[in-house]
Amino acid sequence: GQQLNQSPQSMFIQEGEDVSMNCTSSSIFNTWLWYKQDPGEGPVLLIALYKAGELTSNGRLTAQFGITRKDSFLNISASIPSDVGIYFCAGQLRGSQGNLIFGKGTKLSVKP
Amino acid sequence: SQTIHQWPATLVQPVGSPLSLECTVEGTSNPNLYWYRQAAGRGLQLLFYSVGIGQISSEVPQNLSASRPQDRQFILSSKKLLLSDSGFYLCAWSRGMTDTQYFGPGTRLTVL
Repeated sequence: GQQLNQSPQSMFIQEGEDVSMNCTSSSIFNTWLWYKQDPGEGPVLLIALYKAGELTSNGRLTAQFGITRKDSFLNISASIPSDVGIYFCAGQLRGSQGNLIFGKGTKLSVKP
Repeated sequence: SQTIHQWPATLVQPVGSPLSLECTVEGTSNPNLYWYRQAAGRGLQLLFYSVGIGQISSEVPQNLSASRPQDRQFILSSKKLLLSDSGFYLCAWSRGMTDTQYFGPGTRLTVL
């Protein structure tokens, strides 16, 4: 089946540092979504991207839809302890009427 | 606005006992509904999805089943739980198959 490669799997950073994570695929996507899951809760949508090259910000978060339509990245600036959680990318394949495909997640730990 | 509920929030069940988890959505009609399982706080495994009342698609063969008795109600069941059924179960909804999915708060199931 189709796969999204999300990296890194985990990150341990100091409060105040910037964070970058990405998802790549060999396939072309029409939509990229980024979710955050706090411990013990359901994932919450952070940013949705619908156009190649689109760059969207949500507070300290910035995400981009890659020009090739095969990748996306999420940046978090000036991390704070509440950024801790698992970040998932998800994508909708071009030409597919199927379900979203999810990456395996990036687990972020922030040291105060 | 739309909201999604899951019940119960946590559940501890003995091996061999039955299971029934409930998911309900408010504020929308004819949503697509999904059941995911998340083991060890990582990765989302799609178990079932439904595009309408009585319509269930299974993504993986397993000890679980799903039903959609009403438009905005999705049930995850088992006749006899296994130890391997332990995990965090997430329900999600979307307007269409290719649309953004919104997740419920999850149910933590522990099978002893």
